[in-house]
This record gives sequence, C-alpha cells and structure tokens, in this order.
Amino acid sequence: GQQVMQIPQYQHVQEGEDFTTYCNSSTTLSNIQWYKQRPGGHPVFLIQLVKSGEVKKQKRLTFQFGEAKKNSSLHITATQTTDVGTYFCAGYRNQGGKLIFGQGTELSVKP
Amino acid sequence: GAGVSQSPRYKVAKRGQDVALRCDPISGHVSLFWYQQALGQGPEFLTYFQNEAQLDKSGLPSDRFFAERPEGSVSTLKIQRTQQEDSAVYLCASSLARNYGAQYFGPGTRLLVL
Repeated sequence: GQQVMQIPQYQHVQEGEDFTTYCNSSTTLSNIQWYKQRPGGHPVFLIQLVKSGEVKKQKRLTFQFGEAKKNSSLHITATQTTDVGTYFCAGYRNQGGKLIFGQGTELSVKP
Repeated sequence: GAGVSQSPRYKVAKRGQDVALRCDPISGHVSLFWYQQALGQGPEFLTYFQNEAQLDKSGLPSDRFFAERPEGSVSTLKIQRTQQEDSAVYLCASSLARNYGAQYFGPGTRLLVL
C-alpha cells in the first residue's frame, strides 16, 4: 500500500541552527500537507502544497513539493525553542479522503 | 468559535469491555476523520465520513471497530471487546472541504486497556 516515509526521526539542534525534514512517498500524491504536534498536544495544520515544484514560505518555515509530487521538505531557518515538536507530512491519494501520515520528525531545540 | 472536541479525554477499560468515543466536529464541517496514534508514531487513518456517509473504512483494524455519524455532525467510534493492543490515542479531525482540505484535530481520547 501507499507509504509516506520521513527522515530523520529525531533532530536535536542548538537554538539558531537550521532544521530540515524530508518526506518521500512511494506513489504520486495529489497534494501534501504538513502538521505540527507539540508534546502532549494534537496535530495542527501548517500548510498544504498542491502544485508540482511548489514552494511556500511562512516566516522562518519553507515548504517544498517535489517536481514528481512524490517528495516534500520542510526547512526551518534559525530555530527557536518555540519550534519544538514533531513535524508530520501527510499526503492524499488521488481521490481525497484518506490522508496518509509519515512517522514524523521530532525536533528538540537547545537554548 | 469552538474547535473539534472529543470525549472522554481519558478512558481506562478492562480487556473485553466495550467503549464509545465521541467527536464533536467544527460546526459546518462536511468531512470527519478518525485516526489511531500510537506513541511515537504518526496518526493512522481509521475511517472517513462525508456528512453522514462513511466513504472509507479501510483503516479499521478489525470488525470490533465501528464508527457512525448518523446526522452528519457528531460521530462515535465504538470498540467492542477491547484488547490491549487497542491502547492508543484516538484522534478525530474535521474538514470544511469534501476533498483534500486542511484537517482540524481534536485533543484526542487516550485509551488504556488493562
């Protein structure tokens, strides 16, 4: 079945360093979404990418969708302690409905 | 301006008991989703409703799991004869869109089966 893989599983950075998480799908995705889950919390929607090669920015966060619509990345510039949490990518199959989540990348930031 | 709410927040069940988990989606949201999240893992899709119609239940682990949304609003996930492997956080999410929309998650119900 369709799988969405994310690497790395964990990332520990010093505050101010950059962070990147990568997401790869075994099949072409209709779109991809990114969610953030704080410790003890629930996933919170960050962004959705739809077009091949799309790049979107939210302040220090940059999201990319690959040309083949099978991979994506999230890059955080100059991390802050408020960035701590687990970042999930999630992809829809071609008919919507079922959203497949990656395993997540847990980010910890040392002040 | 309430978000998605779920009840109970915590549930301890003895193995073999039946449990019912409730989800109140954001008002007006067409789509409703149930997920199971194990510790350290991403949410795993269980089932999906569009209004009252259950369009996809391919993620339900066994016939002990049943979900309904009879009036297209509140949804209940029922687990019969609970087993220890059912212990997890059960997340509900709703979406305004019929397809491909952003999902808004509730706080989850943490189920522990002893």
